[in-house]
Amino acid sequence: AQSVTQPDIHITVSEGASLELRCNYSYGATPYLFWYVQSPGQGLQLLLKYFSGDTLVQGIKGFEAEFKRSQSSFNLRKPSVHWSDAAEYFCAVGGSSNTGKLIFGQGTTLQVKP
Amino acid sequence: GAVVSQHPSRVICKSGTSVKIECRSLDFQATTMFWYRQFPKQSLMLMATSNEGSKATYEQGVEKDKFLINHASLTLSTLTVTSAHPEDSSFYICSATPGTGGAETQYFGPGTRLLVL
Repeated sequence: AQSVTQPDIHITVSEGASLELRCNYSYGATPYLFWYVQSPGQGLQLLLKYFSGDTLVQGIKGFEAEFKRSQSSFNLRKPSVHWSDAAEYFCAVGGSSNTGKLIFGQGTTLQVKP
Repeated sequence: GAVVSQHPSRVICKSGTSVKIECRSLDFQATTMFWYRQFPKQSLMLMATSNEGSKATYEQGVEKDKFLINHASLTLSTLTVTSAHPEDSSFYICSATPGTGGAETQYFGPGTRLLVL
C-alpha cells in the first residue's frame, strides 16, 4: 500500500541554521513526490515537486529536495532558515498517472528560534 | 497564483444537525475538486474526488451518505456533513485543479474547522 512517513513530528532550529526535514515513502511504481507548507489560516502551498529527471529539485523560498530511490526518501532542505519558515510541512506522494490524488505524510512542525 | 476559498472558516453546531461547507475557485474554473479531512497533529486524508457535473468518488471507508458532495458548477463544490456527531469534528480542506491538471496544479483552500457539540 502507498504510504508516506515523516519521522520527525516537531523540529526546532535556530534562525540562520540549516534545515533538513525527512520524508520516506512506500510506493509500488514511480512516485510523484511533493512538499507542501501549511501556515495558520492559509491553504497548503506547493514548495516543490519531483516527477522525473534530475533528482535534486529546487523549489520556492530557497527550499530544495533530493529524491533517493535507493532509500525511498525525498528529504527537504534549506541552507539557512528564516523565522518566517516556521510552519507545518507535509510530504506527499501522488500516483504516476498524476490524477491529482495525493497521500500525505503526518507532517512536521518547524519552530524557528531567534 | 490561483485562489481557493472556503466558507465558513469555522463552524460550531449541535449534534444531529447538518453543516454545509463551500469551496470556491475564485479565478479559475475547477474541473476537479478534492475534499480532505485533517485531524489535529495528523495528516490530510483524502475523502473524495469531485468532478463537475458528475457524482463524487469516495475513498474507502468514507460514508457517502454522511458526507454529501455537490460539484454543480466549475467554481463551486460543497461538502455537507449530515447529522453531524462529535466524532465528525475535524478540519476539512478542499483543493481544486483546473482542466485535466494533476497535483502540480492543485490549489488548496484555507480549511474549515468544524466542532460538533
